[in-house]
Amino acid sequence: AQKVTQAQTEISVVEKEDVTLDCVYETRDTTYYLFWYKQPPSGELVFLIRRNSFDEQNEISGRYSWNFQKSTSSFNFTITASQVVDSAVYFCALIANSGYALNFGKGTSLLVTP
Amino acid sequence: EADIYQTPRYLVIGTGKKITLECSQTMGHDKMYWYQQDPGMELHLIHYSYGVNSTEKGDLSSESTVSRIRTEHFPLTLESARPSHTSQYLCASSGYPTGTPHSYEQYFGPGTRLTVT
Repeated sequence: AQKVTQAQTEISVVEKEDVTLDCVYETRDTTYYLFWYKQPPSGELVFLIRRNSFDEQNEISGRYSWNFQKSTSSFNFTITASQVVDSAVYFCALIANSGYALNFGKGTSLLVTP
Repeated sequence: EADIYQTPRYLVIGTGKKITLECSQTMGHDKMYWYQQDPGMELHLIHYSYGVNSTEKGDLSSESTVSRIRTEHFPLTLESARPSHTSQYLCASSGYPTGTPHSYEQYFGPGTRLTVT
């Protein structure tokens, strides 16, 4: 079975602060894929990143960065110099090679105030 | 850029009515999914399909049904809507290029917000 835990339910920061969203996962599979999605108030889910279990290299994309550590089963997401437009619910998700669909965490609601 | 469409975006309907939520994708993806999400809550998989004429129920029990007659089309039907069906329904697709890590990426439609009165 697979499980994703996002312990932070809500985070509130002031614009330009850095913020890290935590994601911890469980799976017995050795091959799996991790994802982050953003859900703005409009409701659609926007794909942000996919990470493969065999590639622990961290990734940076503009103000976004992701830290994948298999030793702690974590896949954390950091937003640098946050902006109001970053306000959204962020979901971490996992699918194992043997699975049929994504397993989502419960999401972290991020509010960035001016 | 993913191309997956859902109609209607918003629907308010009375109890007992039959409704069909439409979902179409133009990416040639073989896998399609329906999720149910209450406001601010987690997503629950209610149906999925691996291809034409293949449909399965997801982890969350649902009174809805789905069909997959064409690759690009995956409609969801409620035979008799009830207030407990009030929720947001999100359609997603994935699967291309087949057998690559990219095939696990799911792309979502804009969702249908359903209210049953």
